[in-house]
Amino acid sequence: GAVVSQHPSWVICKSGTSVKIECRSLDFQATTMFWYRQFPKQSLMLMATSNEGSKATYEQGVEKDKFLINHASLTLSTLTVTSAHPEDSSFYICSAIDSNINEKLFFGSGTQLSVL
Amino acid sequence: GNSVTQMEGPVTLSEEAFLTINCTYTATGYPSLFWYVQYPGEGLQLLLKATKADDKGSNKGFEATYRKETTSFHLEKGSVQVSDSAVYFCALSEGANFGNEKLTFGTGTRLTIIP
Repeated sequence: GAVVSQHPSWVICKSGTSVKIECRSLDFQATTMFWYRQFPKQSLMLMATSNEGSKATYEQGVEKDKFLINHASLTLSTLTVTSAHPEDSSFYICSAIDSNINEKLFFGSGTQLSVL
Repeated sequence: GNSVTQMEGPVTLSEEAFLTINCTYTATGYPSLFWYVQYPGEGLQLLLKATKADDKGSNKGFEATYRKETTSFHLEKGSVQVSDSAVYFCALSEGANFGNEKLTFGTGTRLTIIP
């Protein structure tokens, strides 16, 4: 079946540094990908919708200059957390739409980010 | 706005026990409802769905019925197995397009089944 690969699965970084998370659709083309974030004991919250070849659409309250999203190809979207701070420590998950099959929406396995 | 309230975990059961994970929702329209499952090291996978009131979604022995009157979509399984150990997420979307639209998730419930 369709697979979405997310990398890295976990990352630890120092405060003030930037971290890039990759989301790849391995066997299908994804014109639309989604980025979610989950803080401990809270819901998985949509951060932004990433569309290939255009700017991402951010949900209310999500800083677009802090969470840079690039969807330059039909199989890759990246989320860069710039100047990370401890409060950015969270679990980040991507998902991708495969318009060619019925189920359509596939998720990556997530990235646990810890900012020291 | 939309929201999903899900039973807090973790939940630990013995093999062959009966499982219920509660899920209730608030939505402005007539949402579609979903249960996703995340096995260790894998991405979330759609487990089952229901797109209108009184629909029952079922898969792998799991069932959930869309109850509009109680705004609930509780997940049940009659006899759990060790392989069911995972994190379960309840979710809704406003459209009926099987999850293509923005999803609103619950917090997830970690289920552990012991032999």
